[in-house]
Amino acid sequence: QVQLQQSGTELVKPASSVKISCKASGYTFTSNYMHWIRQQPGNGLEWIGWIYPGNGNTKYNQKFDGKATLTADKSSSTAYMQLSSLTSEDSAVYFCARGSGYNPFAYWGQGTLVTVSS
Amino acid sequence: DIQMTQSPSSMSASLGDRVTITCQASQDIGNNLIWFQQKPGKSPRPMIYYATNLANGVPSRFSGSRSGSDYSLTISSLESEDMADYHCLQYKQYPYTFGAGTKLELK
Repeated sequence: QVQLQQSGTELVKPASSVKISCKASGYTFTSNYMHWIRQQPGNGLEWIGWIYPGNGNTKYNQKFDGKATLTADKSSSTAYMQLSSLTSEDSAVYFCARGSGYNPFAYWGQGTLVTVSS
Repeated sequence: DIQMTQSPSSMSASLGDRVTITCQASQDIGNNLIWFQQKPGKSPRPMIYYATNLANGVPSRFSGSRSGSDYSLTISSLESEDMADYHCLQYKQYPYTFGAGTKLELK
């Protein structure tokens, strides 16, 4: 079955960077877009962007240009998102998600909590 | 960016009630809309995709509809397990955008 297993909670300092992962299993990793979504505490959801692991192409929400960098490692079927120049505004839960058929957000990871604090 | 105006932001209802949540799109999105259910501490779960299609494993009391730029999620007979937050998402145009969410509580 399709599974997206995300890395664990991160506590990071302001101005630093963090790289979170999303390990895929149960399907052909290179054949589906992987989306990343942010959910700030008490707030709604925001789409960050996607990566197509088959060729490394990416598409970002302009709001996250320069903040998020999406990569993928085909050998380990793992997608990554690096967040840079962290501020308290980046404290959030981050999700990865992939599509199936006509539903581009059919499967979700369990989420990774990133807390930015000194 | 396409704005998705979701209403109500919160509501309380009784078991067995018929509940409707709506998202209005600021531009044409066709039927490129998903409804998600999210419970505390959990990932969003797709309930309806392409505006009217029931996702795998979703009970038939859930349905989606469209009238012009208004998209609705309806629960025909509310059950206790339906208490959750609900979000809409448009995936017609970049950046994909979500509604602000609806908190559904038991009256």
